[in-house]
Amino acid sequence: ETGVTQSPTHLIKTRGQQVTLRCSSQSGHNTVSWYQQALGQGPQFIFQYYREEENGRGNFPPRFSGLQFPNYSSELNVNALELDDSALYLCASSLEVADTQYFGPGTRLTVL
Amino acid sequence: EDQVTQSPEALRLQEGESSSLNCSYTVSGLRGLFWYRQDPGKGPEFLFTLYSAGEEKEKERLKATLTKKESFLHITAPKPEDSATYLCAVQADGAGSYQLTFGKGTKLSVIP
Repeated sequence: ETGVTQSPTHLIKTRGQQVTLRCSSQSGHNTVSWYQQALGQGPQFIFQYYREEENGRGNFPPRFSGLQFPNYSSELNVNALELDDSALYLCASSLEVADTQYFGPGTRLTVL
Repeated sequence: EDQVTQSPEALRLQEGESSSLNCSYTVSGLRGLFWYRQDPGKGPEFLFTLYSAGEEKEKERLKATLTKKESFLHITAPKPEDSATYLCAVQADGAGSYQLTFGKGTKLSVIP
């Protein structure tokens, strides 16, 4: 059974640019959640997608947006990048909305 | 607002020296409390879910317990490979998105 995968592994962007991060959920999982983890901090909830619809959002501005596709894979898009957006971005999938969340390896984003 | 506080921030143990990590939480209604292990630069790895006060779960040298206000992760006779950051997270009941609210983690170092 394949776990959660994310791409790319690392990414370097400059302030003001846009970025797209990708996540493939674990087989059979219909829910994907995205988290941002700054250095030395715990992950912070960005939003969750359930069956292609946004199912909840944390305290992040609208320039953070997402999509979920019919195969339940997902994208996180961030526009107008700021220096503070530098972090590890984690994707987690779960069998259903309230079930245990299993995390991918993350994408390390550096904004210069 | 849901809150999770973990202590200590960092813990150094000699190999074989047992200890406990603490996770204090406030949540409107607890659906589940989760423990994850995170190695540097990687995604969190699921360890345990606890649902009600008095519940205990064990896995190898780790044992997690839950009360109405806190959870403990007991580590018995740790080995160097147990070195990692241990994250605690709560999931509130009826939250819709069932997002995870994380603490900042406890960084455990086990010295040979």
